[in-house]
Amino acid sequence: NAGVTQTPKFQVLKTGQSMTLQCAQDMNHEYMSWYRQDPGMGLRLIHYSVGAGITDQGEVPNGYNVSRSTTEDFPLRLLSAAPSQTSVYFCASIHPDRAGYGYTFGSGTRLTVV
Amino acid sequence: GQQLNQSPQSMFIQEGEDVSMNCTSSSIFNTWLWYKQDPGEGPVLLIALYKAGELTSNGRLTAQFGITRKDSFLNISASIPSDVGIYFCAGRFGDMRFGAGTRLTVKP
Repeated sequence: NAGVTQTPKFQVLKTGQSMTLQCAQDMNHEYMSWYRQDPGMGLRLIHYSVGAGITDQGEVPNGYNVSRSTTEDFPLRLLSAAPSQTSVYFCASIHPDRAGYGYTFGSGTRLTVV
Repeated sequence: GQQLNQSPQSMFIQEGEDVSMNCTSSSIFNTWLWYKQDPGEGPVLLIALYKAGELTSNGRLTAQFGITRKDSFLNISASIPSDVGIYFCAGRFGDMRFGAGTRLTVKP
């Protein structure tokens, strides 16, 4: 099925560990983004990309890195996990010609840092 | 930065009742969107609004883009149990910013 695929669905990390959250979409969307969702705070933008080779920071970028080597993939890297990064992470994509239709979201990655 | 204030934070209603929630901002947006999130899933788009004053319906849902471009509301008529979830407003001007969500509980 076409859409945004996130892996893993659940992850537990120890403080200081690194990991990569994977995001892939098969809709040929140029625009992809990462959000984190915390209770009572809605979704906050971490990083976004307007196309392969182009990334930019969002609202809460510290502690996260991204890259966009292909249109399909937009991984999010945590270099040294901290308990403050415990959250649910959503990847989303959109085609610029269909901007008004809103994002397509993945089903999320629930990350716990202990 | 662009901040969206969404209210109420939560609602407990009886099946069949109407629901109203809104979003306000100190910044203007050129698109307002309303999403619903079910447990364990990502948000799903309900309604998109593209210009000030626009009123759009999607079944029992009606949303409006405020004429100042700084607010929007969502109404749900004759609520049913499957309306349960978290509703988010989102404003787009460049990137997209989200409200904190309204958690809706519908009692049968």
